[in-house]
Amino acid sequence: AQKITQTQPGMFVQEKEAVTLDCTYDTSDPSYGLFWYKQPSSGEMIFLIYQGSYDQQNATEGRYSLNFQKARKSANLVISASQLGDSAMYFCAMREGISSGSARQLTFGSGTQLTVLP
Amino acid sequence: KAGVTQTPRYLIKTRGQQVTLSCSPISGHRSVSWYQQTPGQGLQFLFEYFSETQRNKGNFPGRFSGRQFSNSRSEMNVSTLELGDSALYLCASSYRTREANEKLFFGSGTQLSVL
Repeated sequence: AQKITQTQPGMFVQEKEAVTLDCTYDTSDPSYGLFWYKQPSSGEMIFLIYQGSYDQQNATEGRYSLNFQKARKSANLVISASQLGDSAMYFCAMREGISSGSARQLTFGSGTQLTVLP
Repeated sequence: KAGVTQTPRYLIKTRGQQVTLSCSPISGHRSVSWYQQTPGQGLQFLFEYFSETQRNKGNFPGRFSGRQFSNSRSEMNVSTLELGDSALYLCASSYRTREANEKLFFGSGTQLSVL
């Protein structure tokens, strides 16, 4: 079974509008972290936002916010006031086993290609 | 502070050859992880090195190997290249704390093409 599922291969949004990128995850570990990364055409993965499984509030970082619904195992990224520079591939990722401190690698979803239209 | 540096940026090899990719982490970071990115398989974890020791390994054949030097720089090697090894290879570094929210800092990758 896929651990991270991103069901939107591509999304379009008008400049200055908000957009939600979907991410669902699957884990039996009670301690995990969820990350969103942005990958522009240059290839570098850029960290956007993090949500821990025990965090009580949804994470926010500037124009980025995470709609975390633990019971539904979803962690959707919301980008407000889209800009042309937001056009990129967006990846949702999970790190499990946080409490044990042993597993450090991230498991990534397949990504969503976001295109911001002028 | 300089970011993660990967060299070379592009590489073209033929089947059967071997290749070595290099990664210099952010100063102070002691953990280096490698990921393979392909259109078909997406991003897959290869291995992680910390203090010159491999800590974790993904599900890749033994042709994929790596090492880390005392200055935390890392290299990965792929021997007997196959067409399917064509990919973007990304390196990521971190302090490797026990903090749950520790993020990985990625380089721009090495685009390997196997002909």
